Amino acid sequence: DAGVIQSPRHEVTEMGQEVTLRCKPISGHNSLFWYRQTMMRGLELLIYFNNNVPIDDSGMPEDRFSAKMPNASFSTLKIQPSEPRDSAVYFCASRPTGKSYEQYFGPGTRLTVT
Amino acid sequence: AQKVTQAQTEISVVEKEDVTLDCVYETRDTTYYLFWYKQPPSGELVFLIRRNSFDEQNEISGRYSWNFQKSTSSFNFTITASQVVDSAVYFCALRLIQGAQKLVFGQGTRLTINP
Repeated sequence: DAGVIQSPRHEVTEMGQEVTLRCKPISGHNSLFWYRQTMMRGLELLIYFNNNVPIDDSGMPEDRFSAKMPNASFSTLKIQPSEPRDSAVYFCASRPTGKSYEQYFGPGTRLTVT
Repeated sequence: AQKVTQAQTEISVVEKEDVTLDCVYETRDTTYYLFWYKQPPSGELVFLIRRNSFDEQNEISGRYSWNFQKSTSSFNFTITASQVVDSAVYFCALRLIQGAQKLVFGQGTRLTINP
């Protein structure tokens, strides 16, 4: 079975540009999570969805960040406009339906904003 | 609020040595899950183990073992006879069983196994 798929794997962009990160969860998983990893703050949850509905977005840093999940097999995290402090690795994770246990992580997208 | 502390920022040992990674957590809830994840140099996060707060039995999986002690709020991870391939950053995490579904991670311990 394919794991969580994220694209792109690496993104380099200039300050002020719009950035869109994409995630395809594991088929059948009904919960999807976006995390950000930085040296200063470690791994922190940005937002999570349950059955395509955003449940907790308290970790979203500011209005420049937005996330959507139009269907069960796709989610996006958008940053507009991007800033150098947004440089980080962004992970998407999904969790199996009917289980409250482990989350399975994608390979991450390394974002660099210059 | 929940908090996970991994006091050891970096550990370096020689291959075949045993090594223990410490994890201390804080929560007022009585029901929760504890996890360990491995992040190898390639960057992905690999799930290693989950324990729930009802089960304090220690667990062994090959060279890996975990010691869960509610009395000290600790969930330590031991690698026996370490190998170079064990080199990675290891994260301990906590999630409540009821309520907030997010994983709260520790800062991670960078483990380097030298040949």
